Amino acid sequence: DGGITQSPKYLFRKEGQNVTLSCEQNLNHDAMYWYRQDPGQGLRLIYYSQIVNDFQKGDIAEGYSVSREKKESFPLTVTSAQKNPTAFYLCASSFTGGAGRTEAFFGQGTRLTVV
Amino acid sequence: AQTVTQSQPEMSVQEAETVTLSCTYDTSESDYYLFWYKQPPSRQMILVIRQEAYKQQNATENRFSVNFQKAAKSFSLKISDSQLGDAAMYFCAYRSAFYRNQFYFGTGTSLTVIP
Repeated sequence: DGGITQSPKYLFRKEGQNVTLSCEQNLNHDAMYWYRQDPGQGLRLIYYSQIVNDFQKGDIAEGYSVSREKKESFPLTVTSAQKNPTAFYLCASSFTGGAGRTEAFFGQGTRLTVV
Repeated sequence: AQTVTQSQPEMSVQEAETVTLSCTYDTSESDYYLFWYKQPPSRQMILVIRQEAYKQQNATENRFSVNFQKAAKSFSLKISDSQLGDAAMYFCAYRSAFYRNQFYFGTGTSLTVIP
C-alpha cells in the first residue's frame, strides 16, 4: 500500500544533541513538508520541498535543517540551536501540478521530547 | 501569505445531532482548494472533505458536507448524525491552485461528542 512513513514514533533527545526524524513516501509525490504541532497552535510549517535537491524555509525554520536527496525521502534534523524542540512533528507530501488529487497526505507523526 | 481562521477552539454535540464548524480564510486569488482534516486522539491526520473553489456545488462525503461561500470567504463543515468516533480536532486548510507550494492551516476546533 502506498503511504507516508515517519520514524521513530517517539524520540528522546538530550540537551545539546542533534536528532534526525525520518520521513519516507512511496506515493510518487513531488512535494514534501514538515510541520510542528504544539497545543493550541495548529500546524506550523518548518520546511518544504517541491523537487529533489531544493527546499524552502517555512515560518519556523530556525534550529532545523532538511535535505532532499531522493524524491521519496525528506529527513528533518532538529539541531541544538532549536531552543524548545519538544513537540509533535508531522511530515506530509502532495502532488504539485495538474488536476486531480490536491490534498496533503500525512505520516503518523513523531513525538520529540527533550530530557 | 494566506490566513485561515477557525474561531471556535472547542465545540460539543450530542450523539446523533448535527454540528457545524466554522472556517474563514483570506485570499486575493480566484482559484484555490479548501480542505477539512480530522485529527483523532491517534494524531493521524485524515482528509475529511475537499472543495475546489471553481465548483459552485458544495462537496459532500456521507455525513460530512460543507457550506462554501466564496464571496464571504467562508468554508464551514457540517457533521450530521454525529457519532462518538467523530470526536477529534478538526483543521481547515487552504491551498492555492496556482502557487501549489504550501498548505495553510487554521488553529483547529476540538469537537467533543456527548453520548
